[in-house]
Amino acid sequence: DTAVSQTPKYLVTQMGNDKSIKCEQNLGHDTMYWYKQDSKKFLKIMFSYNNKELIINETVPNRFSPKSPDKAHLNLHINSLELGDSAVYFCASSQAGRGDGYTFGSGTRLTVV
Amino acid sequence: GESVGLHLPTLSVQEGDNSIINCAYSNSASDYFIWYKQESGKGPQFIIDIRSNMDKRQGQRVTVLLNKTVKHLSLQIAATQPGDSAVYFCAELLEYGNKLVFGAGTILRVKS
Repeated sequence: DTAVSQTPKYLVTQMGNDKSIKCEQNLGHDTMYWYKQDSKKFLKIMFSYNNKELIINETVPNRFSPKSPDKAHLNLHINSLELGDSAVYFCASSQAGRGDGYTFGSGTRLTVV
Repeated sequence: GESVGLHLPTLSVQEGDNSIINCAYSNSASDYFIWYKQESGKGPQFIIDIRSNMDKRQGQRVTVLLNKTVKHLSLQIAATQPGDSAVYFCAELLEYGNKLVFGAGTILRVKS
C-alpha cells in the first residue's frame, strides 16, 4: 500500500490552462504539505495544512490554491499555468512535531509548454 | 534567517569505500536535522535524524555527526554500495508549520 500517493505522475499542459494534482495519505497523519522541486533539484515548501487548516503559505502566487477536503487529502489546483510553473511537485505528510515520520509522495512532474 | 546548504554538489566514490556528505546551516537556533535520500523519479526518503542535544547518531551503515559550534552536519555512509547512488539532502525541521527547509543537495555516484 502506497503511504502517500499523488496523481498524476506526469502532466504536460499548455500555458494558460488550469490543472489539478491530487494527493492522499493513508498514514493517519494530521499534517500535509506541498513542496516544489525545481530543475536544480532545490526543494521548497509551498503549503502546510494541519487538520484541514492552512498553516503555511510560503508566498506562493494565488494562482496556486490548495484544498483539503479532509485530513487525508490535500489537492493542488493551479490556474493560468505559466512556463515557470514547470517543476516536480511533491506531496508529503507527517504528524505535527515529528520529523521521522515525514513521508513524501513520488512526485508529479509538471511540464508547461 | 533560515538557510541550509551543502559544500559539494557531486561526490563520486568507489564501491566499498566510505562516503561523507557535508552540510552547513546558518540558524544557530536550529535543533532538529534530517537527512534524506532521493532516487531518480522518487520522492525524498528519510534516512536518519538528529537533535541538537546530540553530537552523533548511528543507523544501519549511516552515521550523522552534528557540530553546533561551526553549524555543520555530515552524513557518513559505510561501505557504499551502488544502491546508495542518489541525491542526498540535509534538512532542518522548523517547529512552526512543521516545515522542512532543505539544503541544495549532493549527488552521490558509486563506481563499481
